[in-house]
Formats: sequence, C-alpha cells, structure tokens
Amino acid sequence: DAGVTQSPTHLIKTRGQQVTLRCSPKSGHDTVSWYQQALGQGPQFIFQYYEEEERQRGNFPDRFSGHQFPNYSSELNVNALLLGDSALYLCASQTYNEQFFGPGTRLTVL
Amino acid sequence: GESVGLHLPTLSVQEGDNSIINCAYSNSASDYFIWYKQESGKGPQFIIDIRSNMDKRQGQRVTVLLNKTVKHLSLQIAATQPGDSAVYFCAENPGHGSGNTGKLIFGQGTTLQVKP
Repeated sequence: DAGVTQSPTHLIKTRGQQVTLRCSPKSGHDTVSWYQQALGQGPQFIFQYYEEEERQRGNFPDRFSGHQFPNYSSELNVNALLLGDSALYLCASQTYNEQFFGPGTRLTVL
Repeated sequence: GESVGLHLPTLSVQEGDNSIINCAYSNSASDYFIWYKQESGKGPQFIIDIRSNMDKRQGQRVTVLLNKTVKHLSLQIAATQPGDSAVYFCAENPGHGSGNTGKLIFGQGTTLQVKP
C-alpha cells in the first residue's frame, strides 16, 4: 500500500510565475491538507480539502489555491510567486486521528 | 497568536541514554497533541499522540507526557539510538473534539543528535 505521494520532488521557478504541486493521498483517506515548511521551521497549515471543497484555511493569501479531485488526490496552486514562497510543501492525508505526510515538494523561487 | 514552541533547538545525547524533548503550547483550548519525527529530506513521521483527557501515553520506547496546568508537553525516548537522530516537532490540533480534525499547529522543532 503506497503512502502519500507528491510530485514533483523538486521545482525551480522564477518570481511572478505560477506553480502546481500534486498529491495522492494514502489509500482510503479522503481528506488532504497542505503545509508550507520554510527552512529550519515547523510546517505551517495552508488549507485542507474534504469532499472536493476547501474545509479549513490558514493565514495564507489568495495566491495560494487548491483543488481536490473525485479520487481524493489534490493540487496546490501558487500564483505570482515570491522569493519568500521558497519552501518545502507538504501534503498530508488523514483518517480521523492521524495525519500521514508525504515526502514534500521542494520549491525554489529565483 | 497561535503558537507551539519548543524549549531547546538542539539536544545532544549519548547512545543508550534517555532523551527528553520539551514543548510549550499556548492554546489552552487545544485537546489533541502529536509528536512527529522528521529526518532530512523526508516528511514528518507520526510518533505518538495524546488527548487532553490523558496525562501520559506510552508507545514503543517513547512516552508522551501532558501537563495542561502549565501547557507543557514532553517526549521521552528510552535507550536512544543513532536512528533516532532527527528533528522532532510537537503539534497541536485546536478543537479536535469539536470536529476540527484538520489544522495542525507545529512548533519550531528540536534537533536530536545521538552520539555513538
């Protein structure tokens, strides 16, 4: 049984560009959360998707948007990239109690 | 604002010794807490959790203690091994019992270094 998978592993973009990151949840998990982890910091909650709708959102601007598909996979979109968006982006899928994290996508904005 | 913090950025222990990693949280309404381990280049890995109606919970070589009076959480690792070297995060889920099962608030992390 595969765990949470994310693609791509690494990504380099320039300021002002747009990026899409992808996540496939663990089998049987219908809820997906996205986190941003800056270097040397703890993960920061971006938003959570359940039944194809955004259920919760953290303190991130509207440049950050997402989508969940009928198969529960999810995408994170970031528009108008800033240098400060450089981070590890983590996807987590969950049952009621536990959140299982993927390996993350390392985004570098130049 | 919301925050979950850790008292020490780095903890260095001898292999075989016990490790204690501490965490202070600020949201007194939080009722569910989790410890994660993150190795270099990987996502956080669930270690152990505890609900606010408990003071202590034990797993394999790990114990989590919760002191709600002073809003303090600790992770004890028995007989620390080189494979335990990683960054450890505590996280809280405010309002878990009320159906909010999503948002986790993470602390800064403590780096555990195990000396052979």
